[in-house]
Amino acid sequence: KNQVEQSPQSLIILEGKNCTLQCNYTVSPFSNLRWYKQDTGRGPVSLTIMTFSENTKSNGRYTATLDADTKQSSLHITASQLSDSASYICVVSLTGGGNKLTFGTGTQLKVEL
Amino acid sequence: KAGVTQTPRYLIKTRGQQVTLSCSPISGHRSVSWYQQTPGQGLQFLFEYFSETQRNKGNFPGRFSGRQFSNSRSEMNVSTLELGDSALYLCASTTRDRSYEQYFGPGTRLTVT
Repeated sequence: KNQVEQSPQSLIILEGKNCTLQCNYTVSPFSNLRWYKQDTGRGPVSLTIMTFSENTKSNGRYTATLDADTKQSSLHITASQLSDSASYICVVSLTGGGNKLTFGTGTQLKVEL
Repeated sequence: KAGVTQTPRYLIKTRGQQVTLSCSPISGHRSVSWYQQTPGQGLQFLFEYFSETQRNKGNFPGRFSGRQFSNSRSEMNVSTLELGDSALYLCASTTRDRSYEQYFGPGTRLTVT
């Protein structure tokens, strides 16, 4: 069964600190992996998208890495801000699956003063 | 450029009733996908429409259906509502056939009582 697992489930950090979120997947055949940020009550917003041939991609203070051999990805957030408080969702797309996506259950991040 | 819009934003229905949700994609986007988001299951893929044809379908019962019109606007219908159908229903649109970038709407919050 195609699955995407994320850890930790939730995380609290102080403003200005860095953090790393993890994603392991068993989706096959793999097409691409995406990280989304979802604020409470809103739709997800794309942060990064990586194909199997890419191993890192950055978007401002967000840097995603991908190891297609071990089927692991991470999202690193640098110098966190209060506005980073949100759910971060790892999403994997199947080859030939169009936009049929498999979602992780997300990591709930809270940034505090 | 206007984003993805969904109507209504909030809806309360009674068990056994049916409901229709609407999604207007970003202008020029031809693919619309629908997702259900619940606290327990996270985001789950419902179906995808491209050029008025259903291209992919998730693992939901036949009570969940959808369609797409010639202007790319899409509707999803849920018949014989159950309490477990209470969720945030999100739609997302993409620019072209195999585009990786999906843009999500704000969602429709459906509560079934």
